[in-house]
Order: sequence, then structure tokens, then C-alpha cells
Amino acid sequence: LAKTTQPISMDSYEGQEVNITCSHNNIATNDYITWYQQFPSQGPRFIIQGYKTKVTNEVASLFIPADRKSSTLSLPRVSLSDTAVYYCLVVIYNTDKLIFGTGTRLQVFP
Amino acid sequence: EAQVTQNPRYLITVTGKKLTVTCSQNMNHEYMSWYRQDPGLGLRQIYYSMNVEVTDKGDVPEGYKVSRKEKRNFPLILESPSPNQTSLYFCASSLSRDRFSTGELFFGEGSRLTVL
Repeated sequence: LAKTTQPISMDSYEGQEVNITCSHNNIATNDYITWYQQFPSQGPRFIIQGYKTKVTNEVASLFIPADRKSSTLSLPRVSLSDTAVYYCLVVIYNTDKLIFGTGTRLQVFP
Repeated sequence: EAQVTQNPRYLITVTGKKLTVTCSQNMNHEYMSWYRQDPGLGLRQIYYSMNVEVTDKGDVPEGYKVSRKEKRNFPLILESPSPNQTSLYFCASSLSRDRFSTGELFFGEGSRLTVL
């Protein structure tokens, strides 16, 4: 049974780097891993997507080890506006079904 | 403006009264899907559609139906709602869903449903 787990919550201060890890077993061999951000009363919003090694865009980096059993979202120099819930999203092995991680609530303090 | 629109945004209904939550996207996306979000359980996929007339069950399809007669619309139907279907529902779409990528999913604002 596919399962994805994340830390329930994390605290940080403005300006710090935050790393959120998602553990995922039994994911599709050739599918991408995606991360989303969600604010209260809103739908999730795409942050970044990757397949292996490292991907970087203007807001985040994504690290995926060779075994692809986990992925780490890195947010450089967080601000108060980064306070949100972060979800990883993977594809279940041998299916087209999507499964979200359990979500990590990030609280950024001044 | 590119968007995914869900209606209604809020609904209180009673057990057994059929209801439909509509979802429409204006981005010509092929892939559409429905999720429910519950405290402690996160987001779970209910149904998805790779293209018109093609629908498949997600992780929690029991008690729900969907249809995809047109590319832009993907309604979620609760034939006989029960209290355990009280939840926050999200519709999402993406340009395509090939074998390797979900693409960027665009989510609607959510529909909060309460079944008494």
C-alpha cells in the first residue's frame, strides 16, 4: 500500500532555510514528485516538481535521492508569508492514482 | 483569467438528498480530478479524468460519481449523501497527465459540504 509521510509541523524564523522531507514508498518508477503549498481557505498551489537529483526554481529547491524513497523541499530564507501547509504529491506505482503526503504545517516567526 | 471554478462554495444538506458540485476550467486542460480534504487525513483523490469520456477511481471513490461529457466540466455527484461525506472538496485540472508527470495541477477554491 502506497504511503507518504511528512512531519506534522515545523517552526522557523524569518530569513532561515527550511527543509521539509516527504517519505514515500511504492511510488511509480518513472513519475515526477511534486510539492504544493496551501493557505487557509484556498486550494493548493504548485511549488516545484522533479524526477531525480536536484531541481531549483525561483522559490524553492527539490532534492530527490537516487532511490526516490523520499524527497526534500528546501525553502531558502523564509518569510512570514511562507506560513502555510506543504504537501508532497506522488503517483502510486503501477497506477495513475495520485496520493498526497500528510502535509507539514510550517509556521514562520518574526 | 485562467481558473478552476467550483460551485457551490458552501452547502449544507441532509442525508440522502442528491447533490452535484460543479467544476469548470477555462484552460483547455485534459486532466481533471476531485479531492476531499479532511482534518488529519489530508487530501485524498476521489476520481480523475484523463480526457473527455474517460474517468477512473481514485483512492476514495465510494459514494461518489463523476462524468466528463465536455472537456471543461467535471461535476462531482453525490447520489445519496451521508454524514461521512462532510468534507472540503477540491477540483483540480492540469494540461495533461502523461505517464511521467501530473503536470502542474490548478485547484479550485474549494467547496465545503456539510451533510446532516
